[in-house]
Amino acid sequence: GQNIDQPTEMTATEGAIVQINCTYQTSGFNGLFWYQQHAGEAPTFLSYNVLDGLEEKGRFSSFLSRSKGYSYLLLKELQMKDSASYLCAVRAPSSGGYNKLIFGAGTRLAVHP
Amino acid sequence: GAVVSQHPSRVICKSGTSVKIECRSLDFQATTMFWYRQFPKKSLMLMATSNEGSKATYEQGVEKDKFLINHASLTLSTLTVTSAHPEDSSFYICSARRDSGRVDTQYFGPGTRLTVL
Repeated sequence: GQNIDQPTEMTATEGAIVQINCTYQTSGFNGLFWYQQHAGEAPTFLSYNVLDGLEEKGRFSSFLSRSKGYSYLLLKELQMKDSASYLCAVRAPSSGGYNKLIFGAGTRLAVHP
Repeated sequence: GAVVSQHPSRVICKSGTSVKIECRSLDFQATTMFWYRQFPKKSLMLMATSNEGSKATYEQGVEKDKFLINHASLTLSTLTVTSAHPEDSSFYICSARRDSGRVDTQYFGPGTRLTVL
């Protein structure tokens, strides 16, 4: 089966650092994505990992360990506008011969002053 | 670049009617588009994969005759919810896949909020 787990909710303080974890068990793996989604809006792409290690992109970093089925998204210097849901998604092959994204339930992050 | 639009953004309809939702890639061609459904505070669930010029591939448990998908051009896919019922009320989001370097990225539309009375 396909299973992607991430915490439901997290809170953090403005200016701090927060780490959102994601564990996955999927039939096949062709990369892991992190998306940000504000309420009522479409997800926006944050990061992509296909090889083990850390990918850094400004205030956001994402880490992947394929052997452990584990990833995290690290947000630094938190701002109020970072309050949103963060979706972990694994790209996996489907029976139709193409890749599809399997999403976790998302982690709602609340940043407070 | 990589903008995807959806129309309408919000629709309210009576039970039994059909609703068409359009998904357009505005500045790139997309041979593959995806349709998702999202319930409040839940994750995106893939409904079907839309391929230009061929039949859509539906996920297990998604009724093909109820959710009609057409992908007639490289920039447009449509989802028609036929004979809508209140349980079809949801947030429908499309995405378009663009091959860009090493990352095969999906770009999401802004979503369509469907309410069936």
